Amino acid sequence: DAGVTQSPTHLIKTRGQQVTLRCSPISGHKSVSWYQQVLGQGPQFIFQYYEKEERGRGNFPDRFSARQFPNYSSELNVNALLLGDSALYLCASSLVDGPWAFFGQGTRLTVV
Amino acid sequence: AQKVTQAQTEISVVEKEDVTLDCVYETRDTTYYLFWYKQPPSGELVFLIRRNSFDEQNEISGRYSWNFQKSTSSFNFTITASQVVDSAVYFCALSDMIYNQGGKLIFGQGTELSVKP
Repeated sequence: DAGVTQSPTHLIKTRGQQVTLRCSPISGHKSVSWYQQVLGQGPQFIFQYYEKEERGRGNFPDRFSARQFPNYSSELNVNALLLGDSALYLCASSLVDGPWAFFGQGTRLTVV
Repeated sequence: AQKVTQAQTEISVVEKEDVTLDCVYETRDTTYYLFWYKQPPSGELVFLIRRNSFDEQNEISGRYSWNFQKSTSSFNFTITASQVVDSAVYFCALSDMIYNQGGKLIFGQGTELSVKP
C-alpha cells in the first residue's frame, strides 16, 4: 500500500505569488494534517481535517488555507508568499480523528 | 500551554556506542500522548513510538528503548549499539487531544544524531 504522497516534492516561487500543495492520505485514512517545518526547527501545526471538516487550526495567518476533498485528499494554499514561508511542508494522515499520524515526504517550498 | 524541550541540539557518537536522547514536556492535561519520530535527510518523518499518559511502562523494540517518567515529565529515547543508519534528526512530540476530538502534534526542536563509523 502506498504511504502518504505529496506533490510536488520541490517548488520555487516568487514573493507575492500563490502556491497550492497537494496531499493524498494512506488509503482508508480520513484525517489529514498539515505542518510547516522551517530549517533547523520542529514541525509546526497548520491545519487538521477529518471527514472534510476542519478540526484544528494552528497559529498561522489567513494567507494559509486548506481543504479536504470527498476522496480525503487535501490541498494547502498559501497566498501572497513571503520569504519566511520557505520551509518543508509536511502532510500527515491518520485513520481516526486523533494524533496518530503518518507523514509524507514533504514539499520543499523556496520563496525567492 | 503545551511545550516539548529537547535540550540536546546535536549528538555525535561512534558506532556501537549507546546514546540517549532527552525529551522533557509540559502540559496541564492528565490525558496526553507522547511520540518519537525519526527524520532522515530525505525529510519524511518516520513514526517510532506512541505512548499514552496512563502507561508508564518502559518499552523496548530491538535496539530502541523508551523511558517514560511522569514524575519528571520526561520521555527519553535510548539507542543501544548505535549504527551509522541511525544518523538522523529525532523529534519528540506531545499531543493533548484525545480520541475522536482531533489532534495536533507539538514537536520539540529535534536532536540531530550523527553516528560515525
